[in-house]
Amino acid sequence: QLQLQESGPGLVKPSETLSLTCTVSGGSISSSTYYWGWIRQPPGKGLEWIGSIYYSGSTYYNPSLKSRLTISVDTSKNQFSLKLSSMTAADTSVYYCARGTAAFDYWGQGTLVTVSS
Amino acid sequence: QSALTQPPSASGSPGQSVTISCTGTSSDVGGYNYVSWYQQHPGKAPKLIIYEVSERPSGVPDRFSASKSGNTASLTVSGLQAEDEADYYCSSYAGTNNFDVVFGGGTKLTVL
Repeated sequence: QLQLQESGPGLVKPSETLSLTCTVSGGSISSSTYYWGWIRQPPGKGLEWIGSIYYSGSTYYNPSLKSRLTISVDTSKNQFSLKLSSMTAADTSVYYCARGTAAFDYWGQGTLVTVSS
Repeated sequence: QSALTQPPSASGSPGQSVTISCTGTSSDVGGYNYVSWYQQHPGKAPKLIIYEVSERPSGVPDRFSASKSGNTASLTVSGLQAEDEADYYCSSYAGTNNFDVVFGGGTKLTVL
């Protein structure tokens, strides 16, 4: 059974860079079939696609976040990561990692990231 | 990249059917057969219940069905059960200029 697990800080200061990692178990991140993505959800609000990456390193970013966003993959560790710079209170969200291209069929449990000084 | 439009709420009694709409544009819902629907219970991660407009992943009851007409997709939940009470989100591929995924604002389904 494929499992995804997000890890990273729960609290980030304004203007700092958020770094999150998603560890994939029960399957290989190098599968040629799927992209791997990040999705976030502000408290009490809807879902927002952040970006996706293929095991080869090809990335696709939400245009509204592109200037602050870097997504990378480490196939040796079966992990992919997100870096979001210049964090503000508006970035406070539950961050999910997930498997999929246009549809996400496996999700991590999510990790709440709060931006506060 | 604009969010897809969903009604904020929907409701029905046990055993009834309810339909949730998801309206986009020709650049997303209307342009691709890559509409998905997710069910999210409070405090849980979203669960994929429909992909590619009307396909159900293994294990999803056939009470959940979906379709698309033009720029509007629809999810129908038949034979409502108490456990269907949740938030439902649609999403669509929107890759006219680049790979892009947009979500709807979500619909809170209440089972009366």
